[in-house]
Amino acid sequence: ETGVTQTPRHLVMGMTNKKSLKCEQHLGHNAMYWYKQSAKKPLELMFVYNFKEQTENNSVPSRFSPECPNSSHLFLHLHTLQPEDSALYLCASSRRGGDYGYTFGSGTRLTVV
Amino acid sequence: SQQGEEDPQALSIQEGENATMNCSYKTSINNLQWYRQNSGRGLVHLILIRSNEREKHSGRLRVTLDTSKKSSSLLITASRAADTASYFCATQGAGGGADGLTFGKGTHLIIQP
Repeated sequence: ETGVTQTPRHLVMGMTNKKSLKCEQHLGHNAMYWYKQSAKKPLELMFVYNFKEQTENNSVPSRFSPECPNSSHLFLHLHTLQPEDSALYLCASSRRGGDYGYTFGSGTRLTVV
Repeated sequence: SQQGEEDPQALSIQEGENATMNCSYKTSINNLQWYRQNSGRGLVHLILIRSNEREKHSGRLRVTLDTSKKSSSLLITASRAADTASYFCATQGAGGGADGLTFGKGTHLIIQP
């Protein structure tokens, strides 16, 4: 375990479903991130939260909705997804204000049918 | 947005040999980081090199950074079967660290026993 826990590990959902991905860290980090990893593409940064405030949204479709209720928890709410949204969704956390690496969770493998 | 590009895309070597992977990027950076990912899992932070550093070592890892050429290399010495994984470089922009990391597509390394 890395200290960043993502649930569920696997998720299959229909295009009309609503589901949420959860990420939790107790490392004392104050920045959290959502990344999307698709086959044969670089990791895509989706959202950045610093001290619970969203500071970056990389033109992500509105069918993805992030929520950060506190500095330890991060959610990604999903609704009316498309098959091309199938991917590995990775959560990461880090300290802010210096040169620090990221700690990643194991990811949620999402399949949209 | 800036993006790291790893080279080669795939590398297969014999156990005990050294493995070298390269990364190029496009714009000014604060630091450059290398990560490892085992199949379908989260990424693990290996090493971080700051923009004012030229070389860094960590165990069997050696990283170099040439900011004039906007390139970095990762050397794994005395490779082991357990080193089989995908390796990614990631850059943090020079904008004060508010941005998330930008990743390349990665190098898939296979160590033949």
